[in-house]
Amino acid sequence: QVQLQESGPGLVKPSQTLSLTCSVSGDSISSGRYCWSWMRQPAGKGLEWIGRIFTGGSINYNPSLESRATISVDASKNQFYLMLNSVTAADTAVYYCTRDVVRGVVAWFDPWGQGTLVTVSS
Amino acid sequence: DIQLTQSPSLLSASVGDRVTITCRASQGIYSYLAWYQQKPGKAPKVLIYAASTLQSGVPSRFSGSGSGTEFALTISSLQPEDFATYYCQQLNAYPITFGQGTRLEIK
Repeated sequence: QVQLQESGPGLVKPSQTLSLTCSVSGDSISSGRYCWSWMRQPAGKGLEWIGRIFTGGSINYNPSLESRATISVDASKNQFYLMLNSVTAADTAVYYCTRDVVRGVVAWFDPWGQGTLVTVSS
Repeated sequence: DIQLTQSPSLLSASVGDRVTITCRASQGIYSYLAWYQQKPGKAPKVLIYAASTLQSGVPSRFSGSGSGTEFALTISSLQPEDFATYYCQQLNAYPITFGQGTRLEIK
């Protein structure tokens, strides 16, 4: 059974870089059968897709965050990563990583990690 | 960006009720829509993908319908564990977007 687990600092200072790791178990990131996304959710609010990485290396970002976000993958560690620079209080949220199931033109996100709360504060 | 508008934002219902949540897209998205359930403090869980395909393991009381710009999630007979927040998601075009959510509460 595939599981995803986010990890990283829970507190980041304004203007610094948020760095998160998603560790995947029960499946191989390099299998090529899936792609991998980051999402976030501010407290009491809705879901925002940050971006997606394909194991072939291509990446798609949400234009609202593209100038500040970097998603990467290390297949040897079965992990993928999110870096978000120049953070502000508006970046305070629970961050989720997900496996994106893509079957032809059909897609959905399953499973999700449990989420990790990142607070931006001095 | 494709905007998804869910209605209602808050739905009060009782165990055993049949409820429907709708999701309207700002432009046509064919059937590239998924529905998720989220309980407090937990990650979302997929219920439906491709607008009407039930994810494996999800109870058959959940069903999805629609295509183009109008979609619906129906729960045929509410169970206590169904009280949660529901989100629709479009995967037709980047950026992938979500509806604002519908909170389903016990009446």
